[in-house]
Amino acid sequence: GQSLEQPSEVTAVEGAIVQINCTYQTSGFYGLSWYQQHDGGAPTFLSYNALDGLEETGRFSSFLSRSDSYGYLLLQELQMKDSASYFCAVLNSGGYQKVTFGTGTKLQVIP
Amino acid sequence: DGGITQSPKYLFRKEGQNVTLSCEQNLNHDAMYWYRQDPGQGLRLIYYSQIVNDFQKGDIAEGYSVSREKKESFPLTVTSAQKNPTAFYLCASSPEGLAKNIQYFGAGTRLSVL
Repeated sequence: GQSLEQPSEVTAVEGAIVQINCTYQTSGFYGLSWYQQHDGGAPTFLSYNALDGLEETGRFSSFLSRSDSYGYLLLQELQMKDSASYFCAVLNSGGYQKVTFGTGTKLQVIP
Repeated sequence: DGGITQSPKYLFRKEGQNVTLSCEQNLNHDAMYWYRQDPGQGLRLIYYSQIVNDFQKGDIAEGYSVSREKKESFPLTVTSAQKNPTAFYLCASSPEGLAKNIQYFGAGTRLSVL
Protein backbone atom coordinates (compact mmCIF):
# COMPACT_ATOMS: atom_id res chain seq x y z
CA GLY A 1 0.00 0.00 0.00
CA GLN A 2 0.85 3.65 -0.05
CA SER A 3 0.81 6.24 2.72
CA LEU A 4 1.88 9.86 3.03
CA GLU A 5 2.40 11.86 6.22
CA GLN A 6 2.17 15.61 6.59
CA PRO A 7 1.81 17.89 9.63
CA SER A 8 -1.87 18.69 10.18
CA GLU A 9 -1.46 22.43 10.84
CA VAL A 10 1.18 25.12 10.45
CA THR A 11 1.00 28.80 11.40
CA ALA A 12 3.36 31.42 9.98
CA VAL A 13 3.67 35.20 9.86
CA GLU A 14 3.01 37.25 6.75
CA GLY A 15 6.25 37.87 4.84
CA ALA A 16 8.01 34.89 6.41
CA ILE A 17 9.10 31.52 4.96
CA VAL A 18 7.39 28.24 5.81
CA GLN A 19 8.27 24.63 4.98
CA ILE A 20 5.67 21.84 4.77
CA ASN A 21 7.12 18.34 4.93
CA CYS A 22 5.86 15.12 3.40
CA THR A 23 7.17 11.61 3.97
CA TYR A 24 5.85 8.73 1.94
CA GLN A 25 5.79 4.96 1.74
CA THR A 26 4.93 3.46 -1.61
CA SER A 27 5.41 0.21 -3.46
CA GLY A 28 6.36 2.10 -6.62
CA PHE A 29 7.20 5.75 -7.14
CA TYR A 30 6.97 8.00 -10.16
CA GLY A 31 6.91 11.49 -8.69
CA LEU A 32 5.71 13.80 -5.92
CA SER A 33 3.26 16.63 -6.52
CA TRP A 34 1.92 19.46 -4.38
CA TYR A 35 -1.57 20.96 -4.49
CA GLN A 36 -3.20 23.96 -2.83
CA GLN A 37 -6.83 24.01 -1.76
CA HIS A 38 -8.64 27.02 -0.34
CA ASP A 39 -11.66 26.39 1.86
CA GLY A 40 -14.63 25.33 -0.24
CA GLY A 41 -12.58 25.21 -3.43
CA ALA A 42 -10.96 22.61 -5.63
CA PRO A 43 -7.27 21.65 -5.39
CA THR A 44 -4.94 23.38 -7.82
CA PHE A 45 -1.56 22.04 -8.92
CA LEU A 46 1.52 23.83 -7.54
CA SER A 47 4.64 21.81 -8.23
CA TYR A 48 6.01 18.42 -9.28
CA ASN A 49 9.29 16.57 -8.61
CA ALA A 50 10.26 13.40 -10.43
CA LEU A 51 13.98 13.67 -9.65
CA ASP A 52 15.94 14.59 -6.52
CA GLY A 53 16.50 18.25 -5.93
CA LEU A 54 14.75 21.57 -5.81
CA GLU A 55 12.15 22.88 -8.25
CA GLU A 56 11.38 26.59 -8.08
CA THR A 57 8.20 28.25 -9.30
CA GLY A 58 8.00 31.86 -8.22
CA ARG A 59 7.47 32.09 -4.45
CA PHE A 60 6.95 28.34 -4.20
CA SER A 61 9.68 25.69 -4.30
CA SER A 62 9.49 21.94 -3.87
CA PHE A 63 12.23 19.52 -2.88
CA LEU A 64 12.49 15.74 -3.25
CA SER A 65 14.86 13.14 -1.83
CA ARG A 66 13.96 9.73 -3.25
CA SER A 67 16.47 7.90 -1.07
CA ASP A 68 14.81 9.35 2.07
CA SER A 69 11.23 9.08 0.69
CA TYR A 70 10.84 12.70 1.69
CA GLY A 71 9.86 15.97 0.15
CA TYR A 72 8.85 19.45 1.17
CA LEU A 73 7.09 22.52 -0.12
CA LEU A 74 8.69 25.87 0.64
CA LEU A 75 6.61 29.02 0.54
CA GLN A 76 8.47 32.33 0.62
CA GLU A 77 7.28 35.89 1.21
CA LEU A 78 4.07 34.59 2.68
CA GLN A 79 0.89 36.44 1.85
CA MET A 80 -2.50 36.26 3.58
CA LYS A 81 -3.94 34.61 0.46
CA ASP A 82 -1.57 31.66 1.01
CA SER A 83 -3.78 30.55 3.91
CA ALA A 84 -5.07 27.23 2.59
CA SER A 85 -4.57 23.49 2.83
CA TYR A 86 -1.59 21.95 1.06
CA PHE A 87 -1.48 18.33 -0.07
CA CYS A 88 1.37 16.18 -1.29
CA ALA A 89 0.54 13.36 -3.71
CA VAL A 90 2.45 10.44 -5.19
CA LEU A 91 1.91 8.69 -8.48
CA ASN A 92 2.76 5.00 -8.43
CA SER A 93 4.90 3.52 -11.15
CA GLY A 94 2.68 0.56 -11.82
CA GLY A 95 0.60 -0.06 -14.91
CA TYR A 96 -2.18 2.31 -13.86
CA GLN A 97 -1.89 5.99 -13.04
CA LYS A 98 -3.08 5.73 -9.47
CA VAL A 99 -2.46 8.79 -7.33
CA THR A 100 -2.48 8.85 -3.54
CA PHE A 101 -2.90 12.11 -1.62
CA GLY A 102 -1.60 12.99 1.82
CA THR A 103 -3.98 14.09 4.57
CA GLY A 104 -3.11 17.73 4.02
CA THR A 105 -1.52 20.56 6.00
CA LYS A 106 -3.66 23.55 6.92
CA LEU A 107 -1.53 26.70 6.72
CA GLN A 108 -2.66 29.79 8.56
CA VAL A 109 -0.86 33.03 7.72
CA ILE A 110 -1.17 35.67 10.42
CA PRO A 111 -0.39 39.41 10.22
CA ASP B 1 -12.04 27.51 -22.43
CA GLY B 2 -10.55 24.11 -21.63
CA GLY B 3 -11.34 22.56 -18.30
CA ILE B 4 -13.34 20.14 -16.23
CA THR B 5 -17.03 20.67 -15.58
CA GLN B 6 -18.81 19.02 -12.71
CA SER B 7 -22.55 19.18 -12.21
CA PRO B 8 -24.57 19.77 -10.23
CA LYS B 9 -22.77 21.97 -7.71
CA TYR B 10 -25.13 20.82 -4.93
CA LEU B 11 -27.08 17.58 -4.80
CA PHE B 12 -29.48 16.08 -2.29
CA ARG B 13 -30.15 12.37 -2.02
CA LYS B 14 -33.15 10.71 -0.47
CA GLU B 15 -32.95 7.45 1.43
CA GLY B 16 -32.57 4.47 -0.92
CA GLN B 17 -31.99 6.63 -3.97
CA ASN B 18 -29.20 6.38 -6.53
CA VAL B 19 -27.76 9.68 -7.76
CA THR B 20 -25.33 10.40 -10.57
CA LEU B 21 -22.67 13.11 -10.55
CA SER B 22 -21.53 14.39 -13.92
CA CYS B 23 -17.91 15.06 -14.94
CA GLU B 24 -16.96 16.31 -18.40
CA GLN B 25 -13.53 17.42 -19.65
CA ASN B 26 -12.43 19.03 -22.90
CA LEU B 27 -8.70 18.83 -22.19
CA ASN B 28 -8.28 15.66 -24.26
CA HIS B 29 -6.85 13.90 -21.20
CA ASP B 30 -6.74 10.12 -21.08
CA ALA B 31 -6.89 9.58 -17.31
CA MET B 32 -9.80 10.62 -15.10
CA TYR B 33 -10.38 10.25 -11.37
CA TRP B 34 -13.08 10.56 -8.72
CA TYR B 35 -12.24 11.58 -5.15
CA ARG B 36 -14.25 11.97 -2.00
CA GLN B 37 -13.33 14.62 0.59
CA ASP B 38 -14.88 14.77 4.04
CA PRO B 39 -14.66 17.98 6.12
CA GLY B 40 -11.11 18.70 7.25
CA GLN B 41 -9.81 15.57 5.55
CA GLY B 42 -7.69 14.70 2.54
CA LEU B 43 -8.78 13.28 -0.80
CA ARG B 44 -9.65 9.61 -1.01
CA LEU B 45 -9.70 7.87 -4.37
CA ILE B 46 -13.00 6.24 -5.36
CA TYR B 47 -12.41 5.16 -8.98
CA TYR B 48 -9.98 6.00 -11.76
CA SER B 49 -9.85 5.38 -15.48
CA GLN B 50 -6.81 5.44 -17.72
CA ILE B 51 -8.58 4.86 -21.05
CA VAL B 52 -12.08 4.58 -22.47
CA ASN B 53 -14.04 1.47 -21.43
CA ASP B 54 -11.57 0.72 -18.64
CA PHE B 55 -11.62 1.75 -14.98
CA GLN B 56 -10.16 0.60 -11.69
CA LYS B 57 -11.39 0.66 -8.11
CA GLY B 58 -9.67 3.06 -5.78
CA ASP B 59 -9.44 2.86 -2.01
CA ILE B 60 -13.15 3.43 -1.22
CA ALA B 61 -15.11 2.07 -4.21
CA GLU B 62 -17.84 0.29 -2.22
CA GLY B 63 -21.25 1.85 -2.80
CA TYR B 64 -20.13 3.68 -5.95
CA SER B 65 -20.10 2.87 -9.66
CA VAL B 66 -18.66 4.55 -12.76
CA SER B 67 -18.63 4.27 -16.54
CA ARG B 68 -16.20 5.53 -19.20
CA GLU B 69 -17.96 5.24 -22.52
CA LYS B 70 -16.42 8.42 -23.91
CA LYS B 71 -12.99 9.96 -23.37
CA GLU B 72 -14.44 13.24 -22.17
CA SER B 73 -17.01 11.85 -19.71
CA PHE B 74 -16.64 9.96 -16.42
CA PRO B 75 -19.93 9.95 -14.44
CA LEU B 76 -20.07 8.68 -10.86
CA THR B 77 -23.16 7.01 -9.42
CA VAL B 78 -23.63 7.02 -5.67
CA THR B 79 -25.80 4.00 -4.98
CA SER B 80 -28.14 3.29 -2.10
CA ALA B 81 -25.48 0.89 -0.80
CA GLN B 82 -23.34 3.89 0.19
CA LYS B 83 -24.72 4.53 3.65
CA ASN B 84 -22.77 7.71 4.39
CA PRO B 85 -22.61 9.63 1.12
CA THR B 86 -22.50 13.17 2.51
CA ALA B 87 -19.21 14.63 1.25
CA PHE B 88 -17.51 16.86 -1.30
CA TYR B 89 -16.88 14.94 -4.55
CA LEU B 90 -14.08 16.00 -6.86
CA CYS B 91 -13.41 14.86 -10.41
CA ALA B 92 -9.96 15.24 -11.95
CA SER B 93 -8.12 14.42 -15.15
CA SER B 94 -4.47 14.13 -16.13
CA PRO B 95 -2.54 13.89 -19.38
CA GLU B 96 -0.04 11.25 -20.40
CA GLY B 97 3.68 11.76 -20.62
CA LEU B 98 5.95 13.88 -18.42
CA ALA B 99 3.00 15.65 -16.83
CA LYS B 100 1.53 12.41 -15.55
CA ASN B 101 1.39 13.57 -11.97
CA ILE B 102 -0.42 16.81 -12.66
CA GLN B 103 -4.14 16.61 -12.07
CA TYR B 104 -6.70 19.19 -13.06
CA PHE B 105 -9.77 19.37 -10.86
CA GLY B 106 -13.36 20.35 -11.40
CA ALA B 107 -15.14 22.68 -8.98
CA GLY B 108 -16.73 19.75 -7.15
CA THR B 109 -20.19 18.55 -6.15
CA ARG B 110 -21.47 18.74 -2.57
CA LEU B 111 -23.75 15.82 -1.82
CA SER B 112 -26.04 15.78 1.18
CA VAL B 113 -28.62 13.30 2.42
CA LEU B 114 -32.19 14.46 3.05
